[in-house]
Amino acid sequence: AQKVTQAQTEISVVEKEDVTLDCVYETRDTTYYLFWYKQPPSGELVFLIRRNSFDEQNEISGRYSWNFQKSTSSFNFTITASQVVDSAVYFCALSEYYGGSQGNLIFGKGTKLSVKP
Amino acid sequence: DADVTQTPRNRITKTGKRIMLECSQTKGHDRMYWYRQDPGLGLRLIYYSFDVKDINKGEISDGYSVSRQAQAKFSLSLESAIPNQTALYFCATSDPKLAGGEETQYFGPGTRLLVL
Repeated sequence: AQKVTQAQTEISVVEKEDVTLDCVYETRDTTYYLFWYKQPPSGELVFLIRRNSFDEQNEISGRYSWNFQKSTSSFNFTITASQVVDSAVYFCALSEYYGGSQGNLIFGKGTKLSVKP
Repeated sequence: DADVTQTPRNRITKTGKRIMLECSQTKGHDRMYWYRQDPGLGLRLIYYSFDVKDINKGEISDGYSVSRQAQAKFSLSLESAIPNQTALYFCATSDPKLAGGEETQYFGPGTRLLVL
């Protein structure tokens, strides 16, 4: 069965610190997709990144970076030089691929990040 | 204008009342989804629809029903609301025809529902 675990329920850092949000997944499929979403205090869900299981290259987008390691079934998210605007709940999600189509998203329970000034 | 809209954004209702949450999208996506979010539980799938004639139950469909009136509209109904249906409800859309078959779900702003 597929599962996503975000073991860190809440993290608090001071502005300009680097912070890593952990995501560990379980799947029996060889083809799957991993996602990160951000939910700021205003409540909407913002798509951040999608990664397929065949692409293990790390990705960097500004202060955000993602480390995908199939060997440890992890897809961790790092924010460098955190800012107050990064305060949000971050969700990791998994989607398997079968029957020629992507399956539904399975979400982790989220990590609440608080960045203090 | 937002690509995925939800109405109402906030709703308070009483136990036993029927309530409908509506979702509209201008993205032209075929697939639409309804999720609920409860504190500490992440998002859980209620129903999903791959096209107007294809509706499927998700993980937690009991107590809910849906209607796909058109490609752009997907409504969620609570036939007889109960307090444990108090939650934040999200609609999402996706389309496998885009991005080489790799789908991304895009979410509406959410509807906060309180059942007294």
